[in-house]
Amino acid sequence: GAVVSQHPSWVICKSGTSVKIECRSLDFQATTMFWYRQFPKQSLMLMATSNEGSKATYEQGVEKDKFLINHASLTLSTLTVTSAHPEDSSFYICSARDREPVRTEAFFGQGTRLTVV
Amino acid sequence: AQSVTQLDSHVSVSEGTPVLLRCNYSSSYSPSLFWYVQHPNKGLQLLLKYTSAATLVKGINGFEAEFKKSETSFHLTKPSAHMSDAAEYFCVVSYTSGGSYIPTFGRGTSLIVHP
Repeated sequence: GAVVSQHPSWVICKSGTSVKIECRSLDFQATTMFWYRQFPKQSLMLMATSNEGSKATYEQGVEKDKFLINHASLTLSTLTVTSAHPEDSSFYICSARDREPVRTEAFFGQGTRLTVV
Repeated sequence: AQSVTQLDSHVSVSEGTPVLLRCNYSSSYSPSLFWYVQHPNKGLQLLLKYTSAATLVKGINGFEAEFKKSETSFHLTKPSAHMSDAAEYFCVVSYTSGGSYIPTFGRGTSLIVHP
């Protein structure tokens, strides 16, 4: 089956530093990747949609300068949380959609738990 | 805009009794529907999916769901709950044509299983 690998699975960082999260599609090419954020005991909220080779589309209320998304290849997208603050602590999950139209679902990574201290 | 509504924030059952988690979607297009499970501090695991084939879909761990277009529903069921089923369940909708292909999540239903 299609596998999406997200790394790291958890990270603790100091306030003011930046953290990069990687999302890789291991056995398929993903033209589109999605980044979600999940607050404790809440659902997943879409942050942005990234297409390979173009700028990401951010959802309303998501700061594009704070959450930098790069989708440089068909198998890799990165989310960088810049100048992290404690309120950025959350669970972040990426999802990748196969470029093959027969695959209807997006495949999810295991998520990254970010704690900013 | 597409949306998905999970009618219950919490469902509590006794071990060995049936499970019903409700999900309704809104759309003018034919959807693809999914159920995911998330155990505490873990990622998402796909339970089952509906993609315009058979309306009764069987998934992993004894779960199944039935797509009912007339009711715009995709409820998740299991005949007999197990303690290990206690988790958060998300209903997700997306589209291959017409509507948005971006997966949209319901708010989630927390399944509590009592011994």
